[in-house]
Amino acid sequence: EIVMTQSPATLTVSPGERVTLSCRASQSVSINLAWYQQKPGQAPRLLIYAASIRATGIPARFSGSGSGTDLTFTITSLQSEDFAVYYCQQYNTWPWTFGQGTKVEIK
Amino acid sequence: EVQLVQSGAEVKKPGESLKISCKGSGYNFTKSWIAWVRQMPGKGPEWMGIIYPGDSETRYSPSFQGQVTMSADTSINTAFLQWSSLKASDTAMYYCARRGNFWYDNWGQGTLVTVSS
Repeated sequence: EIVMTQSPATLTVSPGERVTLSCRASQSVSINLAWYQQKPGQAPRLLIYAASIRATGIPARFSGSGSGTDLTFTITSLQSEDFAVYYCQQYNTWPWTFGQGTKVEIK
Repeated sequence: EVQLVQSGAEVKKPGESLKISCKGSGYNFTKSWIAWVRQMPGKGPEWMGIIYPGDSETRYSPSFQGQVTMSADTSINTAFLQWSSLKASDTAMYYCARRGNFWYDNWGQGTLVTVSS
């Protein structure tokens, strides 16, 4: 199965800062990648699919880029409600797999 | 409004059977794939498998093949996930999710399953 490796594991940032998260795949996933946000006690929330397309209702400060084995997720100006764990997930090859997550916490 | 409402938390003993549910509303239940996702305590999510309620086509992740059974009852717009013999390692939160037009963008609230002697 495809292994998704996210970095860093934890990111400590201040509100208003720009955040960039990395997701590396053990083999090409093309653009078949989604990004999710998960807050404590909540289900994952889809933010991005097809590597760069924002899901319905997702603010423009969230974006995704890349293809193949190296993909990136960016929050241009972190808001207080954005502190959460972010997961990438490939759906190029079954079984679909998630990364281990990046926790974005408040500095 | 699309909604997925899951059944309540369960506490079971090892070896017991269990069936949890996910009821869809606000869309044509027979025409959207439903996924089941496991999240063990403090860990990331894992896709268990998917089911198409319209014809009950299923696809299991190899890690879960033979360990669980997915099913759906279109008469009550409900998908199910069941175990015949639970283990302590099945303790986790289980989510169902619906594939919308582009990806799995509607999720249930989760069902916490605790297996302990």
